[in-house]
Amino acid sequence: DTGVSQDPRHKITKRGQNVTFRCDPISEHNRLYWYRQTLGQGPEFLTYFQNEAQLEKSRLLSDRFSAERPKGSFSTLEIQRTEQGDSAMYLCASSLAVSRRETQYFGPGTRLLVL
Amino acid sequence: AQTVTQSQPEMSVQEAETVTLSCTYDTSENNYYLFWYKQPPSRQMILVIRQEAYKQQNATENRFSVNFQKAAKSFSLKISDSQLGDTAMYFCAFMKQNYGGSQGNLIFGKGTKLSVKP
Repeated sequence: DTGVSQDPRHKITKRGQNVTFRCDPISEHNRLYWYRQTLGQGPEFLTYFQNEAQLEKSRLLSDRFSAERPKGSFSTLEIQRTEQGDSAMYLCASSLAVSRRETQYFGPGTRLLVL
Repeated sequence: AQTVTQSQPEMSVQEAETVTLSCTYDTSENNYYLFWYKQPPSRQMILVIRQEAYKQQNATENRFSVNFQKAAKSFSLKISDSQLGDTAMYFCAFMKQNYGGSQGNLIFGKGTKLSVKP
């Protein structure tokens, strides 16, 4: 078990560019979550998947954001036409939701800076 | 909507001493989970301890224990015998529970920055 991994770890982009982040969950985890964390704040929920299905999206997830989990394994989060306000740490977490003891395990995050 | 409040932005403690971090939450749900996560500097978030709301007994994990007061909607974390490696941001988090189990996303507080001093 190698834990949740995220790629890239850091991304610097210019305003207006598109960026894509990848998350590889712990193998056999059926749920995958995306959160956003800005400086001095706790993580805020963006969206989550159970297997391939995207079950919930936060109001924070504007039309410029899209997430996929095509085969129920890894997930991608794309931000189109980035804005300076998108600068944040993007965290991915995965869990095995088959019992009451669901626990989310977090990856190291992708730190995005939009210039 | 649920909210989680951590009223202590920063705390410090001497090595080997005990410290308590506060957390209160607001919800109309009766069944839920509460968590404390630790985020060391430049490192990923890890779970410290969890509590099911239906359990009256307070959870403990080695040097970490909680004081869960459901009626008061309070969920504090006590760290005993503090170690230098406990230096981190600590986040309190809430998760709803539905009939089948959990309800997905975590709702976090703003965190408490804990510094353990030698």
